[in-house]
Amino acid sequence: GAVVSQHPSRVICKSGTSVKIECRSLDFQATTMFWYRQFPKQSLMLMATSNEGSKATYEQGVEKDKFLINHASLTLSTLTVTSAHPEDSSFYICSATTSGRADTQYFGPGTRLTVL
Amino acid sequence: GENVEQHPSTLSVQEGDSAVIKCTYSDSASNYFPWYKQELGKGPQLIIDIRSNVGEKKDQRIAVTLNKTAKHFSLHITETQPEDSAVYFCAPTGANSKLTFGKGITLSVRP
Repeated sequence: GAVVSQHPSRVICKSGTSVKIECRSLDFQATTMFWYRQFPKQSLMLMATSNEGSKATYEQGVEKDKFLINHASLTLSTLTVTSAHPEDSSFYICSATTSGRADTQYFGPGTRLTVL
Repeated sequence: GENVEQHPSTLSVQEGDSAVIKCTYSDSASNYFPWYKQELGKGPQLIIDIRSNVGEKKDQRIAVTLNKTAKHFSLHITETQPEDSAVYFCAPTGANSKLTFGKGITLSVRP
């Protein structure tokens, strides 16, 4: 149980284009979803927290107009990197929690974004 | 905010030996203490967690111990196997349910 998927697993795009990443909870309803970014050999850094039907809460230093988050249902959240640049190249990982255990996060497999 | 440190940064053990990884934190309000395992190119996987009302928890070869007074908790892996090789993150959590990840420890199990 508690499986989270992400799509795509890898994406390569040109500088200036936008990329959408999907995060789905497959066998549970996710009350809250989180988006993280991880650079090579570094730890995970929280970007934003989203609750279904509400606006996302962004961490300090994360541009909300550049990283658009939509959490339209209890099983799907999307992250759109707008006008991507090479410095946005990173490993993006989502996680989700259930209402029963709000602090236990189940992570997706991650999406490797490369911006040329 | 929470300050999380993991020691050591790398650990190499012989297959079959035990490994202990320690995590120290600063926020006395933290009440949930998970350990995550991350293999190369994959997302973190929750392997064991403990809450502040418990001092120790065990799941087969893996155990976690918590010392709230000293503000540290440790991951114990017994009878290590090559497939235990990975990066291990602690992520103590406070009332806001936000995980604060440590920098991670790279565990290498030599066959």
